Amino acid sequence: QKEVEQNSGPLSVPEGAIASLNCTYSDRVSQSFFWYRQYSGKSPELIMSIYSNGDKEDGRFTAQLNKASQYVSLLIRDSQPSDSATYLCAEGDDKIIFGKGTRLHILP
Amino acid sequence: DAGVIQSPRHEVTEMGQEVTLRCKPISGHDYLFWYRQTMMRGLELLIYFNNNVPIDDSGMPEDRFSAKMPNASFSTLKIQPSEPRDSAVYFCASSVLGGYTFGSGTRLTVV
Repeated sequence: QKEVEQNSGPLSVPEGAIASLNCTYSDRVSQSFFWYRQYSGKSPELIMSIYSNGDKEDGRFTAQLNKASQYVSLLIRDSQPSDSATYLCAEGDDKIIFGKGTRLHILP
Repeated sequence: DAGVIQSPRHEVTEMGQEVTLRCKPISGHDYLFWYRQTMMRGLELLIYFNNNVPIDDSGMPEDRFSAKMPNASFSTLKIQPSEPRDSAVYFCASSVLGGYTFGSGTRLTVV
């Protein structure tokens, strides 16, 4: 049974600071990892995908993957109030399994 | 592209009634997924299709739940009979391999 574990939070970060979100997964075979953002009452939206060890940067977002440790992280630089949301970590190559999410609150 | 379209957006029904949720995937996407989201359990995968064929229905909670995909542009998730514990937000998502695009969801309340 695949599992994705995240701290539920809330994680409170001052505006302009770096928010760091972490996730561990159980399936050593998976090659595909994702971060989704979900605003309250809305559907999840894909913000980052990562497939190989190391860092992947996209604007203010950096995803980090360490397959040996089965660990994925998301860094959000220069955090903005609009980044306040629940962030879902996910893994899977055909079917995707989601963690329960970390609530992030950016303090103005 | 209009994205993944789900209907209805909200459904309130009485226990024991049949409920049908509908989904239109993005054109060209050959994978379709049905998820259920609750506060307690998070996003749970119920079933997924590839090229209209059900591939994995191991997440369907019990026989009261069924899903069909008669063609590439339409899928249904049916609950019969519905129970209060089925109350949740049901999402449909579609993709080619890689990250999904989710529909807006159907909020189901069974009273």
